[in-house]
Amino acid sequence: QKEVEQNSGPLSVPEGAIASLNCTYSDRGSQSFFWYRQYSGKSPELIMSIYSNGDKEDGRFTAQLNKASQYVSLLIRDSQPSDSATYLCAVIQGSGNTPLVFGKGTRLSVIA
Amino acid sequence: EPEVTQTPSHQVTQMGQEVILRCVPISNHLYFYWYRQILGQKVEFLVSFYNNEISEKSEIFDDQFSVERPDGSNFTLKIRSTKLEDSAMYFCASSEWGTYGYTFGSGTRLTVV
Repeated sequence: QKEVEQNSGPLSVPEGAIASLNCTYSDRGSQSFFWYRQYSGKSPELIMSIYSNGDKEDGRFTAQLNKASQYVSLLIRDSQPSDSATYLCAVIQGSGNTPLVFGKGTRLSVIA
Repeated sequence: EPEVTQTPSHQVTQMGQEVILRCVPISNHLYFYWYRQILGQKVEFLVSFYNNEISEKSEIFDDQFSVERPDGSNFTLKIRSTKLEDSAMYFCASSEWGTYGYTFGSGTRLTVV
């Protein structure tokens, strides 16, 4: 069974701190990696995509990918209470048109 | 910004009834998907659709489920005879290309009573 694993949390950080969210995946042939944010009762919202090893920055968000370790992470700098949500790691396993597989998500709580 | 539209937002149905969930994907997207999320659980893949046919389906997508793209814009999910365990949020998604991130609709909350 090919899996995407995340710590379910909750992860609590104070406002202004860096939140670090982690994800591992089992399919070594995976090519595409995504972070989605999901507020309670709402649909997943794409916040970052990463396809090659290293870091990718977009505003306060940085995604990090290490294919050798099969590890993806998301850093949120200057965390705000509005960042409080569940963060879903998602992977397209293998290459080509295979469907997105989600982890269970990590619940982040930013304390004002 | 283009969006995926889903209707209805909430549907209550009796066990054994048929339901049709509707989606309008983003117009230039080529790949369409249905996912579901049971309350408190992870987002699960149901089916993908490309070039007017199913390209992949999960174990959840059994003979009770079907999908259709009847008119080139709508994308529907039909559940023939609903069960209590079909109660979930159903999300439609589309992508321009299979390896790109998906855009999700706002979801249909299906409650089977």
